[in-house]
Amino acid sequence: GAVVSQHPSRVICKSGTSVKIECRSLDFQATTMFWYRQFPKKSLMLMATSNEGSKATYEQGVEKDKFLINHASLTLSTLTVTSAHPEDSSFYICSARSQDGALETQYFGPGTRLLVL
Amino acid sequence: GQNIDQPTEMTATEGAIVQINCTYQTSGFNGLFWYQQHAGEAPTFLSYNVLDGLEEKGRFSSFLSRSKGYSYLLLKELQMKDSASYLCAAMDSNYQLIWGAGTKLIIKP
Repeated sequence: GAVVSQHPSRVICKSGTSVKIECRSLDFQATTMFWYRQFPKKSLMLMATSNEGSKATYEQGVEKDKFLINHASLTLSTLTVTSAHPEDSSFYICSARSQDGALETQYFGPGTRLLVL
Repeated sequence: GQNIDQPTEMTATEGAIVQINCTYQTSGFNGLFWYQQHAGEAPTFLSYNVLDGLEEKGRFSSFLSRSKGYSYLLLKELQMKDSASYLCAAMDSNYQLIWGAGTKLIIKP
């Protein structure tokens, strides 16, 4: 089956630093990757949709200069949280859609838990 | 607007049956998903319905009524490991997932 990995799985950083989270499709090529965040006991919130080779599309209310998304290849997308603050602490989850698969199908990564001190 | 409603929490007994309901309103519709999420983990796919009716997959079944904007997830022969949050998500006309807040299912022995 299609596998999506995320790295790191857990990160603790100081306020003001930047954190990069990688999302990789291991056995398929992903033309589209999605980035979500989830607060405790809350729903997943779509942050942005990234298509390989083009700029990401951000959802309303998500600061594109704070959450930098790069989708430079068909197997890798990165989310960089710039100048992180404690309120950015959350569970970040990526998902990927295969270029050969149905539009309805998304494969989820295991998530990255970010704690900003 | 787009909206997904599901109960916040449900409790059931090991070995029993539980039904988790979900109602949705979306701009267009390209299917209804159910995911299971254990604490601290990402969601894992359980089922996908795009046509009306019941889809059975082992102990889990999912039902969809498009005219009513309604779905349910049925879990049979409950096991302790089924304790988790169950997320309902509807896919809109842009193939974006609209997520419910999840139903926390507590299984008691």
